[in-house]
Amino acid sequence: GAGVSQSPRYKVAKRGQDVALRCDPISGHVSLFWYQQALGQGPEFLTYFQNEAQLDKSGLPSDRFFAERPEGSVSTLKIQRTQQEDSAVYLCASSQKGLAPYNEQFFGPGTRLTVL
Amino acid sequence: EDQVTQSPEALRLQEGESSSLNCSYTVSGLRGLFWYRQDPGKGPEFLFTLYSAGEEKEKERLKATLTKKESFLHITAPKPEDSATYLCAVQSFYGQNFVFGPGTRLSVLP
Repeated sequence: GAGVSQSPRYKVAKRGQDVALRCDPISGHVSLFWYQQALGQGPEFLTYFQNEAQLDKSGLPSDRFFAERPEGSVSTLKIQRTQQEDSAVYLCASSQKGLAPYNEQFFGPGTRLTVL
Repeated sequence: EDQVTQSPEALRLQEGESSSLNCSYTVSGLRGLFWYRQDPGKGPEFLFTLYSAGEEKEKERLKATLTKKESFLHITAPKPEDSATYLCAVQSFYGQNFVFGPGTRLSVLP
């Protein structure tokens, strides 16, 4: 596909359940980012990969959040023992290089997670 | 700490009524400032990148400008299809991630 895709688009989880969110970046894009977006707010950074290396995970809110990109393409964001405060839209973005002038990030449609 | 604020929080315009959205930022070395459009239920859609003060970019009815402390998104003769949330983000030289503002919700009434 031409753009970033994410699955599932919607996920409802019971409190305490583990969830896995998938991101397929644009083919050939080196950099991959995960953001969390609360209702009515701008996206907030969670973590960043360059190829398969996770170079920045400073935005992950707790050790229940884990992300991986083992082959440098598809990425998975895993949330263990979900809590109600984890309810948000999780956005994935990719960019060609991450350095100007190729540092525009292109976003997927997001996964809306609702924790009951 | 890098910060971005946007004003107004929400804006209602009549079709054809031009206006400007503001993005104010503080960043430790600006690598780039980015404008995105976000429609309900969708991910942000890239509009512009600005790299240095004085730079301007245009696309259809939109024009983005940049100073050392803020950026403006000017909307000329808007149409109802311009209704969306407009997000501003900055990237510093010291990291790869974007720091986003809260957005401006624009409604253009026919």
